Amino acid sequence: EIVLTQSPGTLSLSPGERATLSCRASQSVSSSYLAWYQQKPGQAPRLLIYDASSRATGIPDRFSGSGSGTDFTLTISRLEPEDFALYYCQQYGSSPFTFGPGTKVDIK
Amino acid sequence: QVQLEESGGGVVQPGRSLRLSCATSGFTFSSYGMHWVRQAPGKGLEWVAVIWYDGRNKYYADSVKGRFTISRDNSKNTLYLQMNSLRAEDTAVFYCARDKGSGYYLNAFDIWGQGTMVTVSS
Repeated sequence: EIVLTQSPGTLSLSPGERATLSCRASQSVSSSYLAWYQQKPGQAPRLLIYDASSRATGIPDRFSGSGSGTDFTLTISRLEPEDFALYYCQQYGSSPFTFGPGTKVDIK
Repeated sequence: QVQLEESGGGVVQPGRSLRLSCATSGFTFSSYGMHWVRQAPGKGLEWVAVIWYDGRNKYYADSVKGRFTISRDNSKNTLYLQMNSLRAEDTAVFYCARDKGSGYYLNAFDIWGQGTMVTVSS
């Protein structure tokens, strides 16, 4: 099983600032099959990024993903008020399709 | 528009069974793999099971293997999760999610339902 570790656990930033979230895998993720999801309280997760760097339909271009192998990054170039939420990475290269523990982005 | 709607959650005693359903609309259900994902109260996301578009392949998380069964009825555009021998640690919101891959190639989960709560308690 591929274990995903996300850092930091919490990121306290102000609107307009840049957010950099990290996801590290315990072994190489096949074909960069790595996704990022956003979840707000009481809501279902929303797909942001798939295949490590492809934006999902309707996702603003301030969200970008990068990385390969075992190290991946989600960057939010300029935080908007609606971006303060929980973010999960997930690998779907091999079963079980594991999620990371999440990074909370909150308002400083 | 594309929609997923879970149902069947509720309060159940340990050791009992429950069947969840996920009714879908707005897309060709028979062309997509489908997943169940759960989230315990205040916790993170846990993938539970996947079924390929044609129902031929299924994978499960170790935590539910042998107790849960994923299935689908492509004529009814509906996904199911049969949960047997339920435990307190199965208490969670259960989400169904569509896989955005095509054919036998799985990918990320692009459409999610709003979830149904399952509480296992005596």
